[in-house]
Amino acid sequence: ELKVEQNPLFLSMQEGKNYTIYCNYSTTSDRLYWYRQDPGKSLESLFVLLSNGAVKQEGRLMASLDTKARLSTLHITAAVHDLSATYFCAVDISGTYKYIFGTGTRLKVLA
Amino acid sequence: SAVISQKPSRDICQRGTSLTIQCQVDSQVTMMFWYRQQPGQSLTLIATANQGSEATYESGFVIDKFPISRPNLTFSTLTVSNMSPEDSSIYLCSVGVGRTTDTQYFGPGTRLTVL
Repeated sequence: ELKVEQNPLFLSMQEGKNYTIYCNYSTTSDRLYWYRQDPGKSLESLFVLLSNGAVKQEGRLMASLDTKARLSTLHITAAVHDLSATYFCAVDISGTYKYIFGTGTRLKVLA
Repeated sequence: SAVISQKPSRDICQRGTSLTIQCQVDSQVTMMFWYRQQPGQSLTLIATANQGSEATYESGFVIDKFPISRPNLTFSTLTVSNMSPEDSSIYLCSVGVGRTTDTQYFGPGTRLTVL
């Protein structure tokens, strides 16, 4: 059974600090996605990582994928309050376009 | 990308009743999916809505409980049948655009509370 685990589950950090969220998955996949969810809202697509070594950056967020280690990271640089949200990674099941979602990381950036 | 709407946005229902949720997309899409997000939890895939044929359900979900229709490439419905309080969740539809899905786009969700 494919499992997707994120850590930490909860993250409280000060503005201006850096931190990394980790996403580990248990089976072969070279397609990984990051989403953001604000409270009471739907999911917003952040990054699409489609190959080993892929790196994408948008503003203060950078995502990377290591398919050999079955690991993706979401790095936050100089956090700001607006980044407070829940972040999910999702793995495509062997190219079926069906996603298994990670446990989610609830991020709170303190002013 | 695609613009996705869901109806209703929220509802409060009585135990034992059924609710049908609609998902409408502004363009034809190849793939449509239904997910459930229980309170404070992650998303779990319920089924793939197949146009013109029966939906494909994931382990733990059955057609009798979650019948799905997909009459065309822009519309799908999910019914939550014989509801119990454990069915209280957010139900989201998602779509994959084009023949090769770069990512899935999610609808705004339907927040269901069962009393």
